[in-house]
Amino acid sequence: AQSVAQPEDQVNVAEGNPLTVKCTYSVSGNPYLFWYVQYPNRGLQFLLKYITGDNLVKGSYGFEAEFNKSQTSFHLKKPSALVSDSALYFCAVRDGANAGKSTFGDGTTLTVKP
Amino acid sequence: DTEVTQTPKHLVMGMTNKKSLKCEQHMGHRAMYWYKQKAKKPPELMFVYSYEKLSINESVPSRFSPECPNSSLLNLHLHALQPEDSALYLCASSQEWGQGGLEQYFGPGTRLTVT
Repeated sequence: AQSVAQPEDQVNVAEGNPLTVKCTYSVSGNPYLFWYVQYPNRGLQFLLKYITGDNLVKGSYGFEAEFNKSQTSFHLKKPSALVSDSALYFCAVRDGANAGKSTFGDGTTLTVKP
Repeated sequence: DTEVTQTPKHLVMGMTNKKSLKCEQHMGHRAMYWYKQKAKKPPELMFVYSYEKLSINESVPSRFSPECPNSSLLNLHLHALQPEDSALYLCASSQEWGQGGLEQYFGPGTRLTVT
């Protein structure tokens, strides 16, 4: 079985400060990990993914994520937050042993204040 | 073109109505999905089509009926819905189904209200 946890419902940061949105996962095979962002009244938008290789993955809009196998984590980061980054962020996982359905985390609402 | 389009954007229907949601993609993707999303919750998978054939039905009530007329189009036919079916319905696509490293592309959704 696969699962993913986003331990924080809400993350608040000041504009210009670094941000981190946390995600941990559990799979039986190798993990395929994804981050999606959802702005109000919109669909989910793909940000970045980890399949294999370099543990630091770079994605859209200056976001990056670090894969840590020993801690089973895939935290989303950005060096300098923008007010426009305020949105709902979902981490998702697929198990390499059964690479069909994605399991989404419950989501983390990021608020960046001016 | 990396866009998934959905129509209508908003839909209000009574419990005895029949309506359809439409989804279209022109990225050549062979997997298409329907999700249901409640406010501030993760999307819940309903159906998966792979090469125009239904691959996954997540025990969705029969009042929801999917259809994939061709590789670019996906419909969701609605009949005799309940108020608890009110939600954002998202369509998504990916290059293939069952290949774990492929991301999904989502449409903007149809906001459905059942009265």
